[in-house]
Amino acid sequence: EVQLVESGGGLVKPGGSLRLSCAASGFTFSNAWMNWVRQAPGKGLAWVARIKSKPSGGTTDYAAPVKGRFTISRDDSKNTVYLQMSSLKSEDTAVYYCATGGGINGVDIWGQGTTVTVSS
Amino acid sequence: SYELTQPPSVSVSPGQTARITCSADALPKQYGSWYQQKSGQAPVMVIYKDSERPSGIPERFSGSSSGTTVTLTISGVQAEDEADYYCQSTDSRGTNVVFGGGTKLTVL
Repeated sequence: EVQLVESGGGLVKPGGSLRLSCAASGFTFSNAWMNWVRQAPGKGLAWVARIKSKPSGGTTDYAAPVKGRFTISRDDSKNTVYLQMSSLKSEDTAVYYCATGGGINGVDIWGQGTTVTVSS
Repeated sequence: SYELTQPPSVSVSPGQTARITCSADALPKQYGSWYQQKSGQAPVMVIYKDSERPSGIPERFSGSSSGTTVTLTISGVQAEDEADYYCQSTDSRGTNVVFGGGTKLTVL
């Protein structure tokens, strides 16, 4: 069964840091492009970051609101993708979804999400 | 920045056809995808590459593209189709993944 399981969410103070993890199973993780997509309370979906597979160059891309503050990385030996978040702001409060794809075939597999709350 | 524009809401009666549009603000238009998100759940892809349907998605879901607009069509709408629908594409360089603002489909 294809599965993505996020973890690491929680409550953090403004200016703090948090690392999210996403464990993948049921498909060849090393060939997959991986994304983080977030959804603020009552709002729509917003793409956060993408990391391509190593065969595709392993490059990373970020949405403007998080560039310079967030870092996406992957460990193909653990079938896991990470999102290191720093200098967190209240507007980063959201459910964070891990998802595969992000190329011409869209974002095809989604996890159930992990909640990040930035508040003092 | 590249933007995708959707109507905030669409309402249809059961058995009718729902059409949700998504307009890109620039050419060239890249391939579009559509996602269904029911309340409290993760999104599910229903269309990719403008008109391709993933396995397991009912045939009543279809997609089309014309110019800078992609359209999701749901034929014979059922009560279970009530959800938020999001379009998605990438900018011309493929660098940024972009989502539309979402459309709430109400089944009357």
